[in-house]
Amino acid sequence: ETGVTQTPRHLVMGMTNKKSLKCEQHLGHNAMYWYKQSAKKPLELMFVYNFKEQTENNSVPSRFSPECPNSSHLFLHLHTLQPEDSALYLCASSQGQWGEKLFFGSGTQLSVL
Amino acid sequence: GQQVMQIPQYQHVQEGEDFTTYCNSSTTLSNIQWYKQRPGGHPVFLIQLVKSGEVKKQKRLTFQFGEAKKNSSLHITATQTTDVGTYFCADSNTGNQFYFGTGTSLTVIP
Repeated sequence: ETGVTQTPRHLVMGMTNKKSLKCEQHLGHNAMYWYKQSAKKPLELMFVYNFKEQTENNSVPSRFSPECPNSSHLFLHLHTLQPEDSALYLCASSQGQWGEKLFFGSGTQLSVL
Repeated sequence: GQQVMQIPQYQHVQEGEDFTTYCNSSTTLSNIQWYKQRPGGHPVFLIQLVKSGEVKKQKRLTFQFGEAKKNSSLHITATQTTDVGTYFCADSNTGNQFYFGTGTSLTVIP
């Protein structure tokens, strides 16, 4: 266990559905991240939160909506996704200082039908 | 975001052979981190290099940071089946924006 828990592990949704991915970290970290991992592409940084404030939105479509209510919890709300959004979504956390390493959760494998 | 390229994309080796993956950037890297992702798993931190020309070792793994801080390498001596996975380098340019390389997928044939 890395101290970063993601739920659900697997998710299948239709293009008109609304769903949410949840991430919780038990490491006392201040920064949390969402990454997307597709088969053909490298890990793509989507969002960064530092002390609950969003510090990075890497040109992510608005059908992905992040929420960070506190430093321990991070959500990714999904709405009207496309089949090309099918991927492994990884949450990570770090201390929030420069050069700190990332601790990843096990990911949510998302399939959009 | 920054683009960090890794080569090769795939590598198949016989168990006992050596393996090297290279990470290259067109811009100067602030620091470089290496992660390993086992099949079906998530990336796990291996090491961080900060200084120009730095070399670090972890058992059979040797990590190098180029003198110009634009490239890095990971070398595994005498691979074992437990080394199977994808190896990523990552750059943290400023603050906590980590950009990952394209990854090298290693297969070890027993």
